[in-house]
Amino acid sequence: NAGVTQTPKFQVLKTGQSMTLQCAQDMNHEYMSWYRQDPGMGLRLIHYSVGAGITDQGEVPNGYNVSRSTTEDFPLRLLSAAPSQTSVYFCASRMTGGLSNTEAFFGQGTRLTVV
Amino acid sequence: GEDVEQSLFLSVREGDSSVINCTYTDSSSTYLYWYKQEPGAGLQLLTYIFSNMDMKQDQRLTVLLNKKDKHLSLRIADTQTGDSAIYFCAESVWGSGGGADGLTFGKGTHLIIQP
Repeated sequence: NAGVTQTPKFQVLKTGQSMTLQCAQDMNHEYMSWYRQDPGMGLRLIHYSVGAGITDQGEVPNGYNVSRSTTEDFPLRLLSAAPSQTSVYFCASRMTGGLSNTEAFFGQGTRLTVV
Repeated sequence: GEDVEQSLFLSVREGDSSVINCTYTDSSSTYLYWYKQEPGAGLQLLTYIFSNMDMKQDQRLTVLLNKKDKHLSLRIADTQTGDSAIYFCAESVWGSGGGADGLTFGKGTHLIIQP
């Protein structure tokens, strides 16, 4: 059981380049989300999905696109990378719990530098 | 709206108890969580408490919840060097909070262990 897998672990991009950060989970979780972590800012939600075919914006969605064509995968696309997008990106998944507790499982992170 | 606040740093001597505090604003929180992030890694769930509980104990960890003051604390007894990490408080608010069943995180508390 691999949990949440993110690739790549490290990436350097030039300003204006595009790329896709991959996230896959094998726990059949409905809810998946992308966060970015910056010093002193904690975790900020970029986009999330409550199931295949459904996505929505989080706190800081600008400059990022997502899609959820399968339950397992939730890629994050940077359309035109900017230095402000230099960050550590985390993907997380959990069962949608409603009033029940559900643990969020995190990937190991992707460290992105935009030069 | 939701807001989760934590102090950014806490320094304790090895062997002492660490108390990490968190305040939240959304009174409809259902579950409150403590996550631990070690250097270079993703977040891992340490413990959680349901909002109708006052206290939860799990080995060296004690979680206290004061719902009236919207205050959550994590006590780590006999703090060891392996406890050095960033600790995130998070709340789960059904139907809101970063989207349906989303989690809202604090900025994280860096726990520094002095020998």
